[in-house]
Amino acid sequence: GAVVSQHPSWVICKSGTSVKIECRSLDFQATTMFWYRQFPKQSLMLMATSNEGSKATYEQGVEKDKFLINHASLTLSTLTVTSAHPEDSSFYICSAPRRQGQETQYFGPGTRLLVL
Amino acid sequence: AQTVTQSQPEMSVQEAETVTLSCTYDTSESDYYLFWYKQPPSRQMILVIRQEAYKQQNATENRFSVNFQKAAKSFSLKISDSQLGDAAMYFCAYPRSQGNLIFGKGTKLSVKP
Repeated sequence: GAVVSQHPSWVICKSGTSVKIECRSLDFQATTMFWYRQFPKQSLMLMATSNEGSKATYEQGVEKDKFLINHASLTLSTLTVTSAHPEDSSFYICSAPRRQGQETQYFGPGTRLLVL
Repeated sequence: AQTVTQSQPEMSVQEAETVTLSCTYDTSESDYYLFWYKQPPSRQMILVIRQEAYKQQNATENRFSVNFQKAAKSFSLKISDSQLGDAAMYFCAYPRSQGNLIFGKGTKLSVKP
């Protein structure tokens, strides 16, 4: 199956700093990638849709200035949590379809963020 | 708006037995896909099985099968011969037109030896 990687797998940072999370499709090109957030014992909630070559689309209630998304190439999307606060501590997961319009999503292994 | 509902927060099954996880959904579409994903303690999302709505035959993947009732908008997952490695969170999911998935709240499955 298709492979999606995320880096780092976990990160601890101080409040007020910025953290960048990378999502890469390793064996396919992804014009669209999705970023989800998962709190403990809860389901995945879509934060934003990352579009290669254009601006990301954010879900209602997600601050675009706080969660910066850059889809720089067909295999890389980055999520930057700016001025992180303890309430941003969560599990962040990216996903991508192997082909445009394909419904099956391939997920990265996720990134655990802890903001102290 | 599309919604996905999983009414069983937790389920338990004895090893080698069979368990069924429930899922209902709401959509006005006629042609769509449905998915079951597994999330073990590692938290990696793993595709278990998918169903295409236009297909009347229920999907099967080894020990995993679904009971898809389109009219009732029901999509349950049956796990046969349960194994310890099946213990995980299971999420039912429906794809939006934008491509992302809408997930149910999940069912935590425990497997007793």
